[in-house]
Amino acid sequence: DIQMTQSPSSLSASVGDRVTITCQASQAIRNYLSWWQHKPGKTPKVVIYDASHLEPGVPSRFSGSGSGTDFTLTISSLQPEDVATYYCQRYDNLPPWTFGQGTKVEIK
Amino acid sequence: EEQLVESGGGLVQPGGSLRLSCRASGFIFSNFWMNWVRQAPGKGLEWVANIKKDGREKYYADSVKGRFTISRDNAEKSLYLQMSSLRHDDTAIYYCSIGHYGRWGQGTLVTVS
Repeated sequence: DIQMTQSPSSLSASVGDRVTITCQASQAIRNYLSWWQHKPGKTPKVVIYDASHLEPGVPSRFSGSGSGTDFTLTISSLQPEDVATYYCQRYDNLPPWTFGQGTKVEIK
Repeated sequence: EEQLVESGGGLVQPGGSLRLSCRASGFIFSNFWMNWVRQAPGKGLEWVANIKKDGREKYYADSVKGRFTISRDNAEKSLYLQMSSLRHDDTAIYYCSIGHYGRWGQGTLVTVS
């Protein structure tokens, strides 16, 4: 099975900072990767799909890039409402559609 | 608007069984693959299983293979997860979700103890 390695596992940044989370697949997955935002007590929601497509309604400070094995989620200017755990997930070819381990984002 | 409502969670003893349901509305259920995803206490998200639009293909995480069975009833717009031989580490919130990156339900808590 393809493994998804996400880093860092947690980060603390100031409001307005640029934040970058990376996700590496153990095999190439083309651009079949999504990024999920999971706030405590809420349902996960997608922020980026197909590696770089911004989900409608998601603020433009979120962006995704990458293809093949290496992917990045960037928050250009961190806001208090962005506090959450972020997960990457592959969905190329056949399942399992594995999630990364998650990155907990906090405000410093 | 798409809506998913899970039910069927609860407290069950190790070795027991439980059947989760997910009722869909607001979209054409039969047009989408459907998933079960879980989150154990203090842990990350774990994809559990999914099923093709017509129910003919089903896939499972290694951790549940042979113990869990996913199914769907497109006429009833419902998704199911039959869980058997439950273990302590199956304790989690179980979510149903739509396709590759669609909406999730609010989840149902399964406690094996």
